[in-house]
Amino acid sequence: TQLLEQSPQFLSIQEGENLTVYCNSSSVFSSLQWYRQEPGEGPVLLVTVVTGGEVKKLKRLTFQFGDARKDSSLHITAAQPGDTGLYLCAGYRRARAGNMLTFGGGTRLMVKP
Amino acid sequence: DSGVTQTPKHLITATGQRVTLRCSPRSGDLSVYWYQQSLDQGLQFLIQYYNGEERAKGNILERFSAQQFPDLHSELNLSSLELGDSALYFCASSTQDGSYEQYFGPGTRLTVT
Repeated sequence: TQLLEQSPQFLSIQEGENLTVYCNSSSVFSSLQWYRQEPGEGPVLLVTVVTGGEVKKLKRLTFQFGDARKDSSLHITAAQPGDTGLYLCAGYRRARAGNMLTFGGGTRLMVKP
Repeated sequence: DSGVTQTPKHLITATGQRVTLRCSPRSGDLSVYWYQQSLDQGLQFLIQYYNGEERAKGNILERFSAQQFPDLHSELNLSSLELGDSALYFCASSTQDGSYEQYFGPGTRLTVT
């Protein structure tokens, strides 16, 4: 069972469409990160959100952290083929056993030209 | 390019064998993290070292061990390999101890036959 649930798991859309990916948990996180991973490569950090309700924009990507810091969303406007990839959310928690990132299962996005 | 290097890129070995994966963190980073990514389990945190000391432990099997050397490179040792150990193994690094902003290497693809 994933501590962080991402939905949808797969998404295939046409170029120019908008989409939203969700990352949900019953746990509170100190911060939440979004990564993008391409085949054969490691995840690349896109953004970190720290404050409940925080919204960050990165060109056509908009990231939001839930008020209770348990969930997040990633919205892409006018998707392009270059947005194709695996999108991963990761929650960060401080614990006595050590501070660590917990990753969601990922959303595999394909944008067709 | 994240600045994190991992060798080898691919490794094919037989069940019961032992392998060592190597990671060099970004220049100046003192923390190293190891992750396993498989199709059914997603990206799972294994273990973290900071300046040579173990700081956090995740879902790491007893057959697996790691260390960080004085020059800050790290090695992940996997022994008595099983078919289910086939996965991508990623190393990440950060400046601070247990930071949420981690930079991932390109990974080592391990295939156990």
